[in-house]
Amino acid sequence: NAGVMQNPRHLVRRRGQEARLRCSPMKGHSHVYWYRQLPEEGLKFMVYLQKENIIDESGMPKERFSAEFPKEGPSILRIQQVVRGDSAAYFCASSAGPDSPLHFGNGTRLTVT
Amino acid sequence: AQTVTQSQPEMSVQEAETVTLSCTYDTSESDYYLFWYKQPPSRQMILVIRQEAYKQQNATENRFSVNFQKAAKSFSLKISDSQLGDAAMYFCAYRSPPGTYKYIFGTGTRLKVLA
Repeated sequence: NAGVMQNPRHLVRRRGQEARLRCSPMKGHSHVYWYRQLPEEGLKFMVYLQKENIIDESGMPKERFSAEFPKEGPSILRIQQVVRGDSAAYFCASSAGPDSPLHFGNGTRLTVT
Repeated sequence: AQTVTQSQPEMSVQEAETVTLSCTYDTSESDYYLFWYKQPPSRQMILVIRQEAYKQQNATENRFSVNFQKAAKSFSLKISDSQLGDAAMYFCAYRSPPGTYKYIFGTGTRLKVLA
């Protein structure tokens, strides 16, 4: 499968636990974006990364959320000490460049109980 | 700030009929891109059609076409010969000029296709 791969597809965490969401971009893509979709809403931009660099994290909450895209391996979105309001679908997208169309993964649905 | 508005939370269409989903946006930019994405129950975001603001000709992709009215800041999606597989959430999205990368999405329209 040459598309954007996200895992897990579903993730359940209790309040206070950590959530780690993984994203492998399409082959040849070095630009990764994370978006969050709250229930009955559109996707909202969180963060834009290139290999080993965070380019723009203006859409990410200042606390508890972090993202990385290491030289080797997938991009990781990490949410520490999750709260119920973090429950959402988290989408990763990749592109060949900042002007190129986005290709989305199938998302990870995070449920915080 | 740019905004995207989809005023129809839900639409229904009879199989084989035509339906139009509306989208309006607000921007002060003259160069930008507009998109329609389809999100079926599988949750995957599928690009349906894309329009560059500098192009006057409306984009078409098989049964999908847009009516792009730049002055009115309107970008509607027409689905012809609707099929059961077209049932999904449809999101209109805006991306600001080249060199930027943030997409701004509307809240979506749920399309039901009736057999």
